[in-house]
Amino acid sequence: AQSVTQLDSQVPVFEEAPVELRCNYSSSVSVYLFWYVQYPNQGLQLLLKYLSGSTLVKGINGFEAEFNKSQTSFHLRKPSVHISDTAEYFCAVNRVGIQGAQKLVFGQGTRLTINP
Amino acid sequence: DADVTQTPRNRITKTGKRIMLECSQTKGHDRMYWYRQDPGLGLRLIYYSFDVKDINKGEISDGYSVSRQAQAKFSLSLESAIPNQTALYFCATSDPGQGVGEQYFGPGTRLTVT
Repeated sequence: AQSVTQLDSQVPVFEEAPVELRCNYSSSVSVYLFWYVQYPNQGLQLLLKYLSGSTLVKGINGFEAEFNKSQTSFHLRKPSVHISDTAEYFCAVNRVGIQGAQKLVFGQGTRLTINP
Repeated sequence: DADVTQTPRNRITKTGKRIMLECSQTKGHDRMYWYRQDPGLGLRLIYYSFDVKDINKGEISDGYSVSRQAQAKFSLSLESAIPNQTALYFCATSDPGQGVGEQYFGPGTRLTVT
């Protein structure tokens, strides 16, 4: 079974500072990896995804993530955050190639708070 | 208009009551999901449906049931609500032909069981 661990439940950052949200996963098989964002009082929306190929993936709103197979990590980064990035961020994984291939397993979430 | 809608958006109910949460989508997707979100636990899958005739239990289905009335509608029922079912509930849809693993979420229903 797959599992996802987000290492920080809350991350406070000043505006225009860089940020990294950490995500580690466990799986004995190949996986697809995702970051979703949940803005206040809204549902989740896809930020970016890694399926294959280049290990550095770029998403919306200036975010990027790097897949590291040896460290089983998929950390999310942004070089300069904005107040509007305040949200909860979820890392997710699903397994490649089985009938339930779109059953996502989510991490616990990281609440990113941007302070002026 | 939103592609995935959920009704009601907020609900307060008493222990023992039956309650239904409804989800409708205009995306034309075959696959639909129900999750609950609890602080510190992320999202956990309750039930999912890959088409109208296919219903599957997720990791936390006890105390819940679902109905897939049509491709566009997927309802979640709590037959006898209990306080630890207080949570934020999300419906989601997906289409494997439009992006592996990408799911589209509704705005959520905040349920409080007193």
